[in-house]
Amino acid sequence: DGGITQSPKYLFRKEGQNVTLSCEQNLNHDAMYWYRQDPGQGLRLIYYSQIVNDFQKGDIAEGYSVSREKKESFPLTVTSAQKNPTAFYLCASNPLGTGDGYTFGSGTRLTVV
Amino acid sequence: AQKITQTQPGMFVQEKEAVTLDCTYDTSDPSYGLFWYKQPSSGEMIFLIYQGSYDQQNATEGRYSLNFQKARKSANLVISASQLGDSAMYFCAMREGVRQGAQKLVFGQGTRLTINP
Repeated sequence: DGGITQSPKYLFRKEGQNVTLSCEQNLNHDAMYWYRQDPGQGLRLIYYSQIVNDFQKGDIAEGYSVSREKKESFPLTVTSAQKNPTAFYLCASNPLGTGDGYTFGSGTRLTVV
Repeated sequence: AQKITQTQPGMFVQEKEAVTLDCTYDTSDPSYGLFWYKQPSSGEMIFLIYQGSYDQQNATEGRYSLNFQKARKSANLVISASQLGDSAMYFCAMREGVRQGAQKLVFGQGTRLTINP
């Protein structure tokens, strides 16, 4: 079955270390998105991409970086510049131009100690 | 400015009762879409229902219906005959426009629904 795979489910890192979260989809979707969720809060957009080798900043891009070298993959790096990286990270995708059909991964819970 | 507002941080409902979760939105784009998602404690986002701005009728999906009042910019979710498994966080979200590029979803703060037996 098609879907989005996020790995790992739980991630622990020491403060000051960069960490990369994986997001892979086999839905043939062009658009991919990264969201951050803090406890009891809604989702906020970090980065999004509509095509390979192209991506745009969302509302809270500072301290994060992404790449889109393959259509299927959209990894997110949480850098040491991100002041409060502990959060739940969700990846999503949808077909371009449809306005719906969003699919979400199961998320990665990052804890920085 | 907040684009999606969910004013109920928490709701407590008896099993089998109907429940309405409120959502208001703000946009100047004539073309937009409204979504409701359920998020159980596991964290996954489960799509429930979608309403397009040009849809003439309110969307329905099984026990879920969306009370769409365009003039009031309101898109409330109604769950009929609530079940214990409905206990979760519920998010209202909006995407603006239908264009060629990627279309971001903007989320509200969510409502935590608890169904009591």
